[in-house]
Amino acid sequence: EVQVVESGGGLKQPGRSLRLSCVGSGFSFDDYGMHWARQVPGKGLQWVSGINWNGGRIAYADSVKGRFIISRDNAKNSLYLQMNSLRPEDTALYYCGKDIGPVITGGPFVEYWGRGTLVTVSS
Amino acid sequence: QTVLTQPPSASGTPGQTVTISCSGSGSNIGRNTANWYQQLPGTAPRAVIFSNNQRPSGVPGRFSGSKSGTAASLAISGLQSEDEADYYCAAWDDSLDAWLFGGGTKLTVL
Repeated sequence: EVQVVESGGGLKQPGRSLRLSCVGSGFSFDDYGMHWARQVPGKGLQWVSGINWNGGRIAYADSVKGRFIISRDNAKNSLYLQMNSLRPEDTALYYCGKDIGPVITGGPFVEYWGRGTLVTVSS
Repeated sequence: QTVLTQPPSASGTPGQTVTISCSGSGSNIGRNTANWYQQLPGTAPRAVIFSNNQRPSGVPGRFSGSKSGTAASLAISGLQSEDEADYYCAAWDDSLDAWLFGGGTKLTVL
């Protein structure tokens, strides 16, 4: 069974940093692109970042560009999101997603999303 | 900023067919395929359509998708109470170099 499980969420003050992790199982992790998306409770989905199968292609939403860094460690079946200079508007449930294929652009998108990890940015 | 436009709400009675639209532009749906996600209350999004009209395994045949020009649509036939959820379209935007979600449509089964 394909699973992606997020961790690392919590409460942080504005301006601080936080690192989210996502572990994939039930599939060949290094064959697939991976993504992060977020959702403010009661609001819509927002894509945050994506990384292709080997880390050679990365993309970010404008709202996080220059502050967040996505990375992956295929040996550990893990995806990461380093979140720096956190803002109150970054408060959301963060989802990890497995792409349908190895690349992150163009056609099919995420096949499976995890249950999410909650990030709260507040003083 | 939402560049993919969906109606905020839709409704139907059991057995009916409901269609949800997603309007984009030449840099997203016009050049790339559309995907659709179902989100039941308190759960993670679930893919119901990818590449305009392909159903992932396990998704009932009642769900179908189509695309014409810069717009995509999700149709749900034989509506059931369990279909009551939020539905989101998604597409890659070549100009923004980013994935976009529509604002979401809340489907109510009357």
